[in-house]
Formats: sequence, structure tokens, C-alpha cells
Amino acid sequence: QVTLKESGPGILQPSQTLSLTCTFSGFSLSTYGMGVGWIRQPSGKGLEWLANIWWDDDKYYNPSLKNRLTISKDTSNNQAFLKITNVDTADTATYYCARIGVPGWFAYWGQGTLVTVSS
Amino acid sequence: DTVLTQSPALAVSPGERVTISCKASESVSTRMHWYQQKPGQQPKLLIYKASNLASGVPARFSGSGSGTDFTLTIDPVEADDTATYFCQQSWNGRTFGGGTKLELK
Repeated sequence: QVTLKESGPGILQPSQTLSLTCTFSGFSLSTYGMGVGWIRQPSGKGLEWLANIWWDDDKYYNPSLKNRLTISKDTSNNQAFLKITNVDTADTATYYCARIGVPGWFAYWGQGTLVTVSS
Repeated sequence: DTVLTQSPALAVSPGERVTISCKASESVSTRMHWYQQKPGQQPKLLIYKASNLASGVPARFSGSGSGTDFTLTIDPVEADDTATYFCQQSWNGRTFGGGTKLELK
């Protein structure tokens, strides 16, 4: 059974760095073809893909946010991470992690973690 | 970026057939996927690679299309299908459509 769970700070101030953790089970990020992606959704709005990391440590970022994002993984502890630097109120959203395969769809999603950026 | 365009909302009666469209700004081959999101829940994969039903998804759901024009069909629609439906392409990076909110009359 594949499960994913996101964790984050809940609230942070503008200009800070947002650190998110995705803890998963039921698959391994050392297995060929496996990946984890991060997606966010402002309240009442659509989905925005942020970044993917793959079993071979390849990383892909949304071009519009690339200079602010860093994705990484800890294979031995079944975790993936996302950092977003210099946050502002526009980064307020529910952040999801999801398992992704090479063909590109997000097969399993976590329940999401709400992050609010406020002074 | 490949932009995906969806109609914002649809309203149908239970038992009817509904088609939800997604148009890509450039060809994405068949690398189009569909998700259902109910209020307060995470998205759920329905269809992958344009026409393949994800595990556990009722056969009332189907997908079609290639290139730039794609369709998600629900037939017949049930009350539990009230949700927002998103398309997502994986041919050129990853982008999502804006979502179509399906309401039941």
C-alpha cells in the first residue's frame, strides 16, 4: 500500500525559507522509474506543479519558480524534501507530494499540508 | 510552457452523460492524465495516458484524445461525481489545466 504524508511549518513570514518534508511508504526512491513530485494549490484555485525528483537523483523544476526551489531526497528514510526560498503571500497554499512514474502521471497523493505566509 | 485550457464549470443531471474537455496549446501526444478532486480532499488519478483507467476507478469514467484535444467522459453521472476535474500533461514538463467544476442539478 502506497502512502505519502507531507509536513511543514504551518505558518511562516515573508522572506523566510519554506522547508517541506514528504514521508512515504509502499515504494522506494531507489527503485528504477520511481519519483516524487511536489504540487501546490492556493485555496479555491488550481494545481501548480513545482518539482520532481527521480530514483537516479535527476531533478526537474517548474521554470517559473526554478531559482527559488530545491528538491532532494533521503532514500534510506523514505523521504523527499522541498525548499522554497524568499517566500511571500503568493506562496500561501496547500502543498502536496505525490508518487510519479516515468510516463509522468501522479498516481498517489498525500493529504497535503497547508502553508500560510503572513507577517 | 504548455497551457491546458478547461471550461470552468458544468451542471448535469444524474444519469446523464457528461464530457469535460481539455485543450493543449501544443501537442502532448497521449501524455494527458485526468484527476478528480472533491472538496477538502487531495486529487485522485482517474485516467492516465489519455485513455487508460486507473486502478479502482469505475468504468463509468473514460478518456479519449491525442495531440491537443482531450476529453473525459462520465456516463452515467452519479451524485458522488460532484467534484473538480483537472487535466495534466507530461509531454513538455508538467502542467495542469485550471479545472472544471462539475455540479449536479
